[in-house]
Amino acid sequence: NAGVTQTPKFQVLKTGQSMTLQCAQDMNHNSMYWYRQDPGMGLRLIYYSASEGTTDKGEVPNGYNVSRLNKREFSLRLESAAPSQTSVYFCASSELPSRDEQYFGPGTRLTVT
Amino acid sequence: KNQVEQSPQSLIILEGKNCTLQCNYTVSPFSNLRWYKQDTGRGPVSLTIMTFSENTKSNGRYTATLDADTKQSSLHITASQLSDSASYICVVSLSSASKIIFGSGTRLSIRP
Repeated sequence: NAGVTQTPKFQVLKTGQSMTLQCAQDMNHNSMYWYRQDPGMGLRLIYYSASEGTTDKGEVPNGYNVSRLNKREFSLRLESAAPSQTSVYFCASSELPSRDEQYFGPGTRLTVT
Repeated sequence: KNQVEQSPQSLIILEGKNCTLQCNYTVSPFSNLRWYKQDTGRGPVSLTIMTFSENTKSNGRYTATLDADTKQSSLHITASQLSDSASYICVVSLSSASKIIFGSGTRLSIRP
């Protein structure tokens, strides 16, 4: 089992460009999450999907959109990247929402210039 | 406001020594508390989980404690190894909503 995979590992964007971060899990989990991690701050929830077909905003959703493509895949889209979105992005999954252990992917390091 | 605060922010100890990391939370209503280990350049991995009724939980050289009355948890690492160098993150789940609160972590460095 690969667990949670993310692509790409690194990305550099210019301000205003768009891109999609991909995430897939092979553990048959119901819930999936997107976080960003900035220096000196805890992981902050951007969006989550409690189950296939549903998505909800987290703590910092502005500037992002998500798609739960199927049970395995959950993508994060930046429509018009801004320097404030420079961060490390982590995807995670869990069997059930919130209280279950979350399994994290390796992260995507995004720089917006 | 629901918050999770960890201390210290960073810690350096010699290989073989013990250390204790602290986590204070104001989350309510409380469901469970997890400690995650995050190696540099990787995603966090769960070490322990404790519910309201549990006072202590061990995972090898890692022992977590929970005092639900004072809303404090600690993670004790015994006989530290170089591979323990990582960030340790305290995470508290609410029982009333699909919500979890992450602490900002303690960065632990083990020196040979």
